[in-house]
Amino acid sequence: AQSVSQHNHHVILSEAASLELGCNYSYGGTVNLFWYVQYPGQHLQLLLKYFSGDPLVKGIKGFEAEFIKSKFSFNLRKPSVQWSDTAEYFCAVNAQYGNKLVFGAGTILRVKS
Amino acid sequence: EAGVTQSPTHLIKTRGQQVTLRCSPISGHTSVYWYQQALGLGLQFLLWYDEGEERNRGNFPPRFSGRQFPNYSSELNVNALELEDSALYLCASSLADRVHEQFFGPGTRLTVL
Repeated sequence: AQSVSQHNHHVILSEAASLELGCNYSYGGTVNLFWYVQYPGQHLQLLLKYFSGDPLVKGIKGFEAEFIKSKFSFNLRKPSVQWSDTAEYFCAVNAQYGNKLVFGAGTILRVKS
Repeated sequence: EAGVTQSPTHLIKTRGQQVTLRCSPISGHTSVYWYQQALGLGLQFLLWYDEGEERNRGNFPPRFSGRQFPNYSSELNVNALELEDSALYLCASSLADRVHEQFFGPGTRLTVL
């Protein structure tokens, strides 16, 4: 069965600090990978996705993620966070052509202004 | 373009009661998914409906059921409510040929007393 592990449950950063949120998955086949974000009081939104091709994918609001197949990882990065990035971030995976998204437990990011 | 909509926003029920949650997908989307976001358990896949049929089911008991209507809207029914059913229930939708790209609604917060 697929599973997703997010390394940190809570992260606190100051504005302008760099961010990296870890995500590892377990699945032997071809996967699609996603990062979703849930801002306070808002619904889950897609931040970025990887299906195939360039393993470095860029999403909205300056976020990027790198797929490292050999490490089964899909870490999320942002060079300089802003207070408005305070949110909960979820890594998710589904098997290629699969329909069920398997989510990690989420990482709550708090950015101090 | 309107997003996925869900109703009601909040519900309070008591143990043993039954509840029905509703979801309207994005126009043109024929697949609807239900997820449960319970405290401490993250997001877990519940059900997938496409063209009126249940296509896949997560690891939930039979008292969780649903249906999809000809206009692709969907209902999630939970019978014999238990305290641990308290959660945010999220609905997502996708195009038929892009089931791996799911767009989420704001959710229905269910509290079971």
